[in-house]
Amino acid sequence: EAGVAQSPRYKIIEKRQSVAFWCNPISGHATLYWYQQILGQGPKLLIQFQNNGVVDDSQLPKDRFSAERLKGVDSTLKIQPAKLEDSAVYLCASSFRTERSTDTQYFGPGTRLTVL
Amino acid sequence: KNQVEQSPQSLIILEGKNCTLQCNYTVSPFSNLRWYKQDTGRGPVSLTIMTFSENTKSNGRYTATLDADTKQSSLHITASQLSDSASYICVVSGGHNAGNMLTFGGGTRLMVKP
Repeated sequence: EAGVAQSPRYKIIEKRQSVAFWCNPISGHATLYWYQQILGQGPKLLIQFQNNGVVDDSQLPKDRFSAERLKGVDSTLKIQPAKLEDSAVYLCASSFRTERSTDTQYFGPGTRLTVL
Repeated sequence: KNQVEQSPQSLIILEGKNCTLQCNYTVSPFSNLRWYKQDTGRGPVSLTIMTFSENTKSNGRYTATLDADTKQSSLHITASQLSDSASYICVVSGGHNAGNMLTFGGGTRLMVKP
């Protein structure tokens, strides 16, 4: 079974530029998550989708971050404009169901973003 | 405030030795606790999940314990191997919406040396 795919794996941009990340979850997984993981810290949930609807985006900085999952499969996360403090690894995860606490999340390898 | 604290932040051990990682949490009400292993440059992979009624669970050389009364968990690694070098993250589910909140610890970075 193919895992969660993410691209690009690495991205370096200058502050105030825009950047987009792509995620392809495991086939058949209804739920997709985006996390931000700053170096030396645990992941922080940014947004959770169930199919193409948003379940939780309470920690997404909506003034600069946006995400969509238009057809309920692939998802993109965009940052516009980027700030220095956005430097982090952006992890995408998917799970078969929506129950966040009990359903196992499968993580992709992440995209490491460096903002100069 | 829901928090998960892990200790130590980093640990270096020799191959073949045992080690124990700690996780203390204040999440309430409690639903379950997971330990993840995150290799460098990879996403986290679930090792174990424990609910309130479980106080120990093993996965190969990894054994997790849970004391729901003291709100503490530990991950014991037996006969460490070089491939155990990774970050280990404790994640507690619970909070105001017990089925919905995940609180991540900062992780323990383990390095196993030959």
